[in-house]
Amino acid sequence: QLQLQESGPGLVKPSETLSLTCTVSGGSITSPGSFWGWVRQPPGKRLEWIGSVHYSGDLHYNPSLTSRITISRDTSNNEYSLRLTSVTAADTAVYYCARDKGQWLVDSWGQGTLVTVSS
Amino acid sequence: DILMTQTPLSLSVTPGQSASISCKSSESLLHSNGRTYLYWYLQKPGQSPQLLIYEVTSRFSGVPDRFSGSGSGTDFTLKISRVEAEDVGFYYCMQGLRMPGTFGQGTKVEVK
Repeated sequence: QLQLQESGPGLVKPSETLSLTCTVSGGSITSPGSFWGWVRQPPGKRLEWIGSVHYSGDLHYNPSLTSRITISRDTSNNEYSLRLTSVTAADTAVYYCARDKGQWLVDSWGQGTLVTVSS
Repeated sequence: DILMTQTPLSLSVTPGQSASISCKSSESLLHSNGRTYLYWYLQKPGQSPQLLIYEVTSRFSGVPDRFSGSGSGTDFTLKISRVEAEDVGFYYCMQGLRMPGTFGQGTKVEVK
């Protein structure tokens, strides 16, 4: 059974960098056909797709965030990571890692982790 | 970005009754390959979203047949027949036609 688990700091200071890792078990991030991505949900707002890394290594970013985000992967540990630079209070959200089967069809989600941006 | 708009924003339903949620997209979700990339998710209290419906009408594995999707182009509907207490939560539509995938604002369903 596929499981995704987010990890990282729950509190980040304004202007600093948010870093999260998603550890995948029960499946490989290099298995053909899948994208491994991030979705966030600010309090009281709709879900927002952030970006993903294809099993081939190709990267896809939300154009509204592309100047600030980097997604990378560690295939030896079957995990992938998100870095979001120059954070503000608007980046406060629950961050989910998620498997995307293509065309942004997310069929498996992590439990989510709340990241608060505050001094 | 494609804008997804859901109505109503909240719904209170008696167990055993049916409920419908509408989702409209700012442009047609019909791909040139003939597929329509409209999905429905349910986020139960304290949980991550879970996939209910993909490509308008196809139920995801394990989803009860009380959930059904319909629509085409820019207008879509999720119907829950015979609502049960476990169906409470926020329902979201999402488009997967064009980057970035975008979600509706969510519909809160309560069971009386």
